[in-house]
Amino acid sequence: AQSVTQPDIHITVSEGASMELRCNYSYGATPYLFWYVQSPGQGLQLLLKYFSGDTLVQGIKGFEAEFKRSQSSFNLRKPSVHWSDAAEYFCAVGQRGGGNKLTFGTGTQLKVEL
Amino acid sequence: EAGVTQFPSHSVIEKGQTVTLRCDPISGHDNLYWYRRVMGKEIKFLLHFVKESKQDESGMPNNRFLAERTGGTYSTLKVQPAELEDSGVYFCASSQDIKGSTEAFFGQGTRLTVV
Repeated sequence: AQSVTQPDIHITVSEGASMELRCNYSYGATPYLFWYVQSPGQGLQLLLKYFSGDTLVQGIKGFEAEFKRSQSSFNLRKPSVHWSDAAEYFCAVGQRGGGNKLTFGTGTQLKVEL
Repeated sequence: EAGVTQFPSHSVIEKGQTVTLRCDPISGHDNLYWYRRVMGKEIKFLLHFVKESKQDESGMPNNRFLAERTGGTYSTLKVQPAELEDSGVYFCASSQDIKGSTEAFFGQGTRLTVV
């Protein structure tokens, strides 16, 4: 069975600093990988996804993630965090051919200090 | 274009009562998914509709939960009777393509509290 681990429950960064949110997955083959963000009062919004090809994926709002097969990781990064990035971030894995049946991690709450 | 809409946004009910959650997907999206997040835990898949048919209901916790999607448009998720452990946020998502290569759009969720 597939699984996703987000080891950091909370992370605090200063505005303008860089950030990296960790995600490790367990899956028997090459998975589909996603990062979603949920801002207060909002639904989940897709930041970026990896299906195949270039292992460095660019997303919206200046986010990027790198798929590392050898480490079973898909960490999310942003070089300069804005106060509006404060939200909860979810990593998810999907099965090839399995539609959008996703397995999510427990989420990482990002706090941005001004 | 309207996004995925869920009603109500919040619901507080007593144990043993019935609650019905509704999801209106994006128009034209054949795929509709229900997910649930129990406090502090991960978001878990409940079931998947393709049009009006249940493609996968492997995540439904028990027979107190009934999902329908009559006519392949909006969907309802009924919990009857509700138990304390049913509290959580219920998300609905829709997508065009079953292969997963297109984005799933999520609603804002319904926060259900059973007291």
